[in-house]
Amino acid sequence: EAGVAQSPRYKIIEKRQSVAFWCNPISGHATLYWYQQILGQGPKLLIQFQNNGVVDDSQLPKDRFSAERLKGVDSTLKIQPAKLEDSAVYLCASSLERPYEQYFGPGTRLTVT
Amino acid sequence: AQSVSQHNHHVILSEAASLELGCNYSYGGTVNLFWYVQYPGQHLQLLLKYFSGDPLVKGIKGFEAEFIKSKFSFNLRKPSVQWSDTAEYFCAVNRKGGKLIFGQGTELSVKP
Repeated sequence: EAGVAQSPRYKIIEKRQSVAFWCNPISGHATLYWYQQILGQGPKLLIQFQNNGVVDDSQLPKDRFSAERLKGVDSTLKIQPAKLEDSAVYLCASSLERPYEQYFGPGTRLTVT
Repeated sequence: AQSVSQHNHHVILSEAASLELGCNYSYGGTVNLFWYVQYPGQHLQLLLKYFSGDPLVKGIKGFEAEFIKSKFSFNLRKPSVQWSDTAEYFCAVNRKGGKLIFGQGTELSVKP
């Protein structure tokens, strides 16, 4: 079974630039998650999709972050404009609707200079 | 606020030593509990999970965890660690259908 795919694996940008991350979940997984993991901390949920719809985006900084999941499969997460504090690993995960076990991708390490 | 606490930030053990990593959460009610592991250079992988039933759950690679509801705890154990267990370990909790909240992680270093 193929796992969750993410690209790019690494990205370095300057502050105020924009960046986009892509995620392809495990086939058949209806639920998709984006997490932010700052160095030394556990992952923090940014947004959760159930098929095409947003279930939880309460911790997404909507003034600069946006995410979409077209056709209920792939998803993109965008940051515009980036700030220094956005430097982190951005993880994508997917799960079946139940039993809530999430499978994680390799992540994208973002460095904002 | 809902939170998950992992008591140890960095644990250093020699091979064959026993391991116990603490995890406490602040939710009330029914919860799902997880331990994830991240080996160096690899992605997060599920080590074990508890949804209901026997509070002592067994996972991969000889790990087990015990859910003690009265203590809001879900500690991870392994009787004898190996050098290959060197990794970062994350406890995570969610309510049924709710978002997953992670602890800050415990880095385990096993000396050969």
